[in-house]
Amino acid sequence: IAGITQAPTSQILAAGRRMTLRCTQDMRHNAMYWYRQDLGLGLRLIHYSNTAGTTGKGEVPDGYSVSRANTDDFPLTLASAVPSQTSVYFCASSDSADRSLGEQFFGPGTRLTVL
Amino acid sequence: GQNIDQPTEMTATEGAIVQINCTYQTSGFNGLFWYQQHAGEAPTFLSYNVLDGLEEKGRFSSFLSRSKGYSYLLLKELQMKDSASYLCALMDSNYQLIWGAGTKLIIKP
Repeated sequence: IAGITQAPTSQILAAGRRMTLRCTQDMRHNAMYWYRQDLGLGLRLIHYSNTAGTTGKGEVPDGYSVSRANTDDFPLTLASAVPSQTSVYFCASSDSADRSLGEQFFGPGTRLTVL
Repeated sequence: GQNIDQPTEMTATEGAIVQINCTYQTSGFNGLFWYQQHAGEAPTFLSYNVLDGLEEKGRFSSFLSRSKGYSYLLLKELQMKDSASYLCALMDSNYQLIWGAGTKLIIKP
């Protein structure tokens, strides 16, 4: 693995179903993030984790949950999907040892459609 | 709260120069970032400004004026591959990135 991977690449999901989006990084970055990107809107932060074992809520956390059991993995779970969660989801990571750099590295994204 | 504004779309000619502006309002500031995002792909980091002035990196330069809440990204010698969206983002007092909606840049031959 080089960088950040996300799975699946795309998914069509029935409303009410549970879904977990996977994210794995091999850069040993402490900080990880989940964003959603919708047409005409900027990236919006869903949840973040500054280090393994800790998580925090972003701008739009409702309907989503995350866990950070180790440094590499940061899965995002939709407990009961709704059509408004149709979006492109990006996972990102950064080296929080130097926050002032702020450079975030992004995964390729997951395109999720909830019907 | 925070607010970021940038034009929705711009058009420029191959070989020319284009300036993409970004204005912002924020109560806490730890830097201004520019990212490039090609259609269907992930954003990639372009530049970072935390002090006033111009940062040059090859064909791309980024400028910041903190007192005016203003930044721009300058792209020189435009190439067709520069057709992409350019995202302005500010780092707030919690070291989180707040993103603008992006400027779609269309390059014409």
